[in-house]
Amino acid sequence: RKEVEQDPGPFNVPEGATVAFNCTYSNSASQSFFWYRQDCRKEPKLLMSVYSSGNEDGRFTAQLNRASQYISLLIRDSKLSDSATYLCVVPDSGNTPLVFGKGTRLSVIA
Amino acid sequence: NAGVMQNPRHLVRRRGQEARLRCSPMKGHSHVYWYRQLPEEGLKFMVYLQKENIIDESGMPKERFSAEFPKEGPSILRIQQVVRGDSAAYFCASSQDSNTEAFFGQGTRLTVV
Repeated sequence: RKEVEQDPGPFNVPEGATVAFNCTYSNSASQSFFWYRQDCRKEPKLLMSVYSSGNEDGRFTAQLNRASQYISLLIRDSKLSDSATYLCVVPDSGNTPLVFGKGTRLSVIA
Repeated sequence: NAGVMQNPRHLVRRRGQEARLRCSPMKGHSHVYWYRQLPEEGLKFMVYLQKENIIDESGMPKERFSAEFPKEGPSILRIQQVVRGDSAAYFCASSQDSNTEAFFGQGTRLTVV
């Protein structure tokens, strides 16, 4: 099975900081990538989709580096409410399922 | 457009009983995924289904676990003769196809006593 690797963290950052996570993937044929956010004891929720080189939504920017096979998530001006686990997902081709990384835990501290 | 619906939200079973977890995908979605999550751990893939077909069940234990996604009705994850180690959160997700975003239900928390 194709693998997705994430730094598990935890990343402990002060409010207002900029933080970035990377996610490496092994399937060079992947065409779409997703970042999800999961709060403690809740379901994962879609944060961003990446179909080309990147995507930006407010304080969040996702970038894709196909040559090195990683995607990154950048969070600017961190808020306390950003504290969660961030999951990288790389849909595989063919009849294989969505592959989740184990997630990166972020704690934003006042 | 209702989201992915899972029920029950909480399920308590005694050892040896059967657990049935239901998942109704979003309207228009024909791909369903089941995941299991233990506390403080990541999402572990179990099974991937399309209508009336199991596409990939490589993450499902060979015994006691089964899944279906019939032509009509919700997808069902069935656990027979539950043991304490089956206690976990079980999440279902659905998508339009295998390369688009998947949306999750709120999960079923199974407790085996």
